[in-house]
Amino acid sequence: GENVEQHPSTLSVQEGDSAVIKCTYSDSASNYFPWYKQELGKGPQLIIDIRSNVGEKKDQRIAVTLNKTAKHFSLHITETQPEDSAVYFCAASRRGYSSASKIIFGSGTRLSIRP
Amino acid sequence: DGGITQSPKYLFRKEGQNVTLSCEQNLNHDAMYWYRQDPGQGLRLIYYSQIVNDFQKGDIAEGYSVSREKKESFPLTVTSAQKNPTAFYLCASSAYSGGASDTQYFGPGTRLTVL
Repeated sequence: GENVEQHPSTLSVQEGDSAVIKCTYSDSASNYFPWYKQELGKGPQLIIDIRSNVGEKKDQRIAVTLNKTAKHFSLHITETQPEDSAVYFCAASRRGYSSASKIIFGSGTRLSIRP
Repeated sequence: DGGITQSPKYLFRKEGQNVTLSCEQNLNHDAMYWYRQDPGQGLRLIYYSQIVNDFQKGDIAEGYSVSREKKESFPLTVTSAQKNPTAFYLCASSAYSGGASDTQYFGPGTRLTVL
């Protein structure tokens, strides 16, 4: 079945440095890739998303890149801050299909920012 | 958490008891979802509903039941048949028009512990 692999599972970076989280997906029909941030004891919050007709999208310190040929997409956080510490999930889904658009989630990356 | 509420935040259940988790949304979303999250794990889909009075099983529906009598409400019952119910339960909703599910937005979650 469809699968999304996410790496690394844990990531520790110095405050101010950049963090990169990578995901690969198996369903070539996937066309929508959201990223969620989950703080301890809370529900995941959408932080950025990208559609398959776009190669890169930025929102302040966060950017996402997509390589459809390789079926890879990545989250880049620059100038990391303590409040960036959380678990990040990538996901892939098909939008615009008649069947329910189930989102397939990666297994998550626990990001820790060292002061 | 944007218009999706889950109650209670913490729930304790004795073995052999059924328990119902509440999920309400005021976003006028058509589709609603239930996920289970175990410690250090990703999200697994239990049930989803695209419209009122209709719902489908997800990947791990055994031991769970749902109803969708109202657009804004999608309660989840964890039955005694669920062998390992201790987990963090997340409800989500999305717009759903013309067969295309939109971005999913999550509630704050309910942590269920079986004593």
